[in-house]
Formats: sequence, structure tokens, C-alpha cells
Amino acid sequence: QKEVEQDPGPLSVPEGAIVSLNCTYSNSAFQYFMWYRQYSRKGPELLMYTYSSGNKEDGRFTAQVDKSSKYISLFIRDSQPSDSATYLCAMGGDMRFGAGTRLTVKP
Amino acid sequence: NAGVTQTPKFRVLKTGQSMTLLCAQDMNHEYMYWYRQDPGMGLRLIHYSVGEGTTAKGEVPDGYNVSRLKKQNFLLGLESAAPSQTSVYFCASSASGNLDEQYFGPGTRLTVT
Repeated sequence: QKEVEQDPGPLSVPEGAIVSLNCTYSNSAFQYFMWYRQYSRKGPELLMYTYSSGNKEDGRFTAQVDKSSKYISLFIRDSQPSDSATYLCAMGGDMRFGAGTRLTVKP
Repeated sequence: NAGVTQTPKFRVLKTGQSMTLLCAQDMNHEYMYWYRQDPGMGLRLIHYSVGEGTTAKGEVPDGYNVSRLKKQNFLLGLESAAPSQTSVYFCASSASGNLDEQYFGPGTRLTVT
């Protein structure tokens, strides 16, 4: 069993939709949780970062962590075509990445 | 300020050949990392360095060697390439350890035939 599980998609939504991306993990030692966004043929870039249970909001993006269920989510409100990318969850202690979910937002 | 750069961008190797991937960062970061990214596997850490002159193994170190002779450079070597090493390789750097944001380079696409 992988330490971090993430549905690879692909996920396709119309512009303006609310997007929900999720990861589960098995290692209770993970202390912090990140979401990276990766555009095609580019390196990942940090989108959101949190190290506690609960919600963290940044503009149209909300990161949610439920440590009791070992489950994290990223919500994107009013999705835009420019949000089309692969989204990777990451967590640590020892850094571990999910496989990434490919999102396409159609105009 | 170029951030993290990687050389080369693309490379095709034959099985058994050797090569070195170069990573350079201009942010004066202490920590540097090499990852490989494969479909369905996400990013996996190969080796990392916590400072000039230091290196350590990550999740998947076999078949690779690294060196950090200068703070700004981190080299990844493949001594005898195998088809299983066909992947996209990313270098990253961070100011400090795991709690800090990692800045990634644009990647190197390596094919081993």
C-alpha cells in the first residue's frame, strides 16, 4: 500500500465549477500537508501549505485537512481554464508526494 | 534571478551509457533534492543534500550517485543507464528542511533505450 493515495483522474469540469481534489494517507507521523500545481512540461510549484487540521483559504483555493481520517482535500471555487494542470498533494516529515490528479477546466 | 535551472532538458541514452544531470540554484538555499516522476507514481525522492559537501539517500537511490561540491550545484549521475531509469527528473531546492517550500526546476526528460 502506498503511503499517499491520490486519484490520478483525469478530471474534466466546465468553467465556473467547484473542483474537489483529494488524497488519503496511511502514515500518522505526517506533520504537514501541501498542494503543488504542475503545468504541462513544467516543474511543480507550491499552491497551499498547512500543518494543522481544519481549513485554510487563499483566494479561490481552500485546503482542508482531517488528521483523524487521514484525508486531505483541495477545493477550487469558480474554476478557470488557467487552473488546468496536474495537482499533487505532498506531506511530511519525510516528504511524500501523491501521484497527481490531472484537471482540465473547459471554457 | 533564474531560480532553479537544470541541464540538459532532454537526453536519450543507450543502455549501459553514463551521464550527469546538472542542477543549479541562485537562491543561496542550503537544501537540494533530486526527484524522478513517473506516470502513476508521483514524485519520488532519489537523493538529497542538506548543505555543501553532504548527500543522503532518498526513497529510490539505487543506480544513482550525487555530489554537492558547491552550494549552488547538485549533480545527479547515472553510471550505467537502464531502461527502468527512463523518467522525468526534477531538481528542487529549499532554504531549510521539510517544513520549507521547495522550488523546482523545469525537469530533464531522459529516455534510455
